[in-house]
Amino acid sequence: AQSVTQPDIHITVSEGASLELRCNYSYGATPYLFWYVQSPGQGLQLLLKYFSGDTLVQGIKGFEAEFKRSQSSFNLRKPSVHWSDAAEYFCAVGAPSNTGKLIFGQGTTLQVKP
Amino acid sequence: GAVVSQHPSWVICKSGTSVKIECRSLDFQATTMFWYRQFPKQSLMLMATSNEGSKATYEQGVEKDKFLINHASLTLSTLTVTSAHPEDSSFYICSARDSRQGPEAFFGQGTRLTVV
Repeated sequence: AQSVTQPDIHITVSEGASLELRCNYSYGATPYLFWYVQSPGQGLQLLLKYFSGDTLVQGIKGFEAEFKRSQSSFNLRKPSVHWSDAAEYFCAVGAPSNTGKLIFGQGTTLQVKP
Repeated sequence: GAVVSQHPSWVICKSGTSVKIECRSLDFQATTMFWYRQFPKQSLMLMATSNEGSKATYEQGVEKDKFLINHASLTLSTLTVTSAHPEDSSFYICSARDSRQGPEAFFGQGTRLTVV
């Protein structure tokens, strides 16, 4: 079955520290991959996406993610976290043949300590 | 570009009434729209997929008679929650895609429904 796993439900980091949010997927083929951020009561904002090509993807707000086919992973990273990064982060996958329809991970809540 | 707008942003309705949520693509033609539901502190779950001019395809476990979806034009899809009950209270988010333009779908800002 197709699924997305975000192993960390809640992560706390200090402001200025580096961040890595994990995402693993189970899919029959290489899917399209996305990371979204959601602030409380708000909609989704796309941070970055991977369709093909370079496996290191740069996104907005200083985020990047690396697609590792051998590990079925698409981890999100940021070298230095800002207090405004505190939010809920969702990893999602979509089928190349039917993109737009996404399967979401459970989400990771990021808390930033001053 | 690629802006999707949902209306209303939040709505409170009485139990037993129906409420309609609109999802509009403002600057592109949405051949396909998707409706998701998000319970508090949980992830997004796809409810249904609608293609312009066709009946919506519902995910398993979603009551099509309760969640009526209409996608009558290339810029508008509506989700009507019929005979709403408190357990229908949730955050509803739509996304829209022009399949002729590329693989990505774009999300609206969501609608918070509270049934009292």
